[in-house]
Amino acid sequence: AQSVSQHNHHVILSEAASLELGCNYSYGGTVNLFWYVQYPGQHLQLLLKYFSGDPLVKGIKGFEAEFIKSKFSFNLRKPSVQWSDTAEYFCAVNSRSGSARQLTFGSGTQLTVLP
Amino acid sequence: EADIYQTPRYLVIGTGKKITLECSQTMGHDKMYWYQQDPGMELHLIHYSYGVNSTEKGDLSSESTVSRIRTEHFPLTLESARPSHTSQYLCASNSGRMDNEQFFGPGTRLTVL
Repeated sequence: AQSVSQHNHHVILSEAASLELGCNYSYGGTVNLFWYVQYPGQHLQLLLKYFSGDPLVKGIKGFEAEFIKSKFSFNLRKPSVQWSDTAEYFCAVNSRSGSARQLTFGSGTQLTVLP
Repeated sequence: EADIYQTPRYLVIGTGKKITLECSQTMGHDKMYWYQQDPGMELHLIHYSYGVNSTEKGDLSSESTVSRIRTEHFPLTLESARPSHTSQYLCASNSGRMDNEQFFGPGTRLTVL
């Protein structure tokens, strides 16, 4: 079974600091990779996704993530965070084999950006 | 914005009560999912459906049941709620395309006293 690890449970940054949130997954086959964000009181929403092609993926609000297959990683980055980025961030992966294609989520990282 | 709805948003109920959490989507998606999420923890898949009259249990064992009589509707039922069922329940759907993005509802926060 696949698993997803997010090593940072809570990250606190000041505005304009750079952000990198780690995500590692265990599945060895072909995968789709996602980062979801949940702002306080709002739905989970898709931040970005990797399906194929360029391993550097750009998402909404200036976020990007790099898929490094050899490291089984899909770290999320933003060069300069804003107070409005305060939210919980979830990494997710699904395998493309089999009929299930279920998403497996990491435990989430709570990001707090101080003004 | 995704058109997926969950009701109620919050529910506080006593032990032993039967409850149904509603989930509806207007996107015509065949695939629907229920996740359970405890604070600070990952989302765990408890049920999924690939279409009408298709339901499967997910990775996390759950005492809840689901039904899928209509494409747009995927209710979750607990026959006899217990304090251990206290959690947040998230419903999601997707179109089944290869890139498999899921759209999430706002969640139901359930508290069983």
